[in-house]
Amino acid sequence: GDSVTQMEGPVTLSEEAFLTINCTYTATGYPSLFWYVQYPGEGLQLLLKATKADDKGSNKGFEATYRKETTSFHLEKGSVQVSDSAVYFCALRSLITNTGNQFYFGTGTSLTVIP
Amino acid sequence: DAGVTQSPTHLIKTRGQQVTLRCSPKSGHDTVSWYQQALGQGPQFIFQYYEEEERQRGNFPDRFSGHQFPNYSSELNVNALLLGDSALYLCASSFNRNTGELFFGEGSRLTVL
Repeated sequence: GDSVTQMEGPVTLSEEAFLTINCTYTATGYPSLFWYVQYPGEGLQLLLKATKADDKGSNKGFEATYRKETTSFHLEKGSVQVSDSAVYFCALRSLITNTGNQFYFGTGTSLTVIP
Repeated sequence: DAGVTQSPTHLIKTRGQQVTLRCSPKSGHDTVSWYQQALGQGPQFIFQYYEEEERQRGNFPDRFSGHQFPNYSSELNVNALLLGDSALYLCASSFNRNTGELFFGEGSRLTVL
């Protein structure tokens, strides 16, 4: 079945450091891929998405490229800020017709950025 | 424009009891999905409601049931609570049953003692 595997945390970085959070997926067909972020005490918010191979999603300085050949969707940011401290979830949605809007989430990676 | 709202935010129950959680979707959305997020884990799909019917279901027992009302709001019911049902229950809405982006509420934190 469909699944997502993402890098386990927690990850601790200094401000302005480079961030990579790895995510790989297993899916039937060609899924859409997402990164969601969960700040403390809040629900999940969409960070970025990509709907087909080689697409690059970007938002707030974060980027991820949909790599079909490696079944990956790694999240990157060139210079993290303290305000980026949160839990990041990689997710996929299958494109099989009529499966509904079921998302499969990874286990989440906790990021702490220290000044 | 109100986003997805859930109630209650926190609740404590004992084993064997029943619980009802409520969700109002984002304005303009007609599809509601429920997810269970155990501590330290990613959200797991419970089921999806569209046009007042359960359209898709994840790997959860029949103790988990739901309902969607004509105004698109939804309830999640869990019967015969187990300790393992302790989790954050997230409601997500979308404007398209198959392709819409999910918008999440802040969740209802259920503790079963």
